[in-house]
Amino acid sequence: QKEVEQNSGPLSVPEGAIASLNCTYSDRGSQSFFWYRQYSGKSPELIMSIYSNGDKEDGRFTAQLNKASQYVSLLIRDSQPSDSATYLCAVSRDDKIIFGKGTRLHILP
Amino acid sequence: DVKVTQSSRYLVKRTGEKVFLECVQDMDHENMFWYRQDPGLGLRLIYFSYDVKMKEKGDIPEGYSVSREKKERFSLILESASTNQTSMYLCASSFLAGGPGELFFGEGSRLTVL
Repeated sequence: QKEVEQNSGPLSVPEGAIASLNCTYSDRGSQSFFWYRQYSGKSPELIMSIYSNGDKEDGRFTAQLNKASQYVSLLIRDSQPSDSATYLCAVSRDDKIIFGKGTRLHILP
Repeated sequence: DVKVTQSSRYLVKRTGEKVFLECVQDMDHENMFWYRQDPGLGLRLIYFSYDVKMKEKGDIPEGYSVSREKKERFSLILESASTNQTSMYLCASSFLAGGPGELFFGEGSRLTVL
């Protein structure tokens, strides 16, 4: 089983709709969870971090964590063309941060 | 703003050459990391360091070494470059002592080995 799994996409969402990105992880001991956004040709940038079960909201972004199900998600409300990017889920393991392979999101104008 | 600077954006080297990739951060972060990113494989951790002169192997350390002589600088070394080391190399730093924390990435160094 891969440590951090994401659907590679592409996920196509109409402009203004909600984009839902999902991630599962295998290490039950993981304590920290992150979502990074990576535009083509650029390096990843952190958009959300979450450490406890439940929801965490920041502007149009909501991260959701369910440790019992080993599941992390990212919701993007009112999707904009500028949200088109690859979204990387990252999870702490021991002293490291392990990344999923990313989901490509395409916002349709 | 945190600034992580990688010395070279693009490098072309020949098989067998020694390659140095330099990374400097200006926010007094304790933790520094080297990843490589390849299509279909995602980001994979090569080496990391939580303190000066300290290094730990990541998931794919073979063929690489690192040096951290100063807190702000973390170098990745390819002793004898091979074609399968052609990749995008990303340096990152974080501030959380004793743990990885949230990563801040440099712009990346795209290495081509011929």
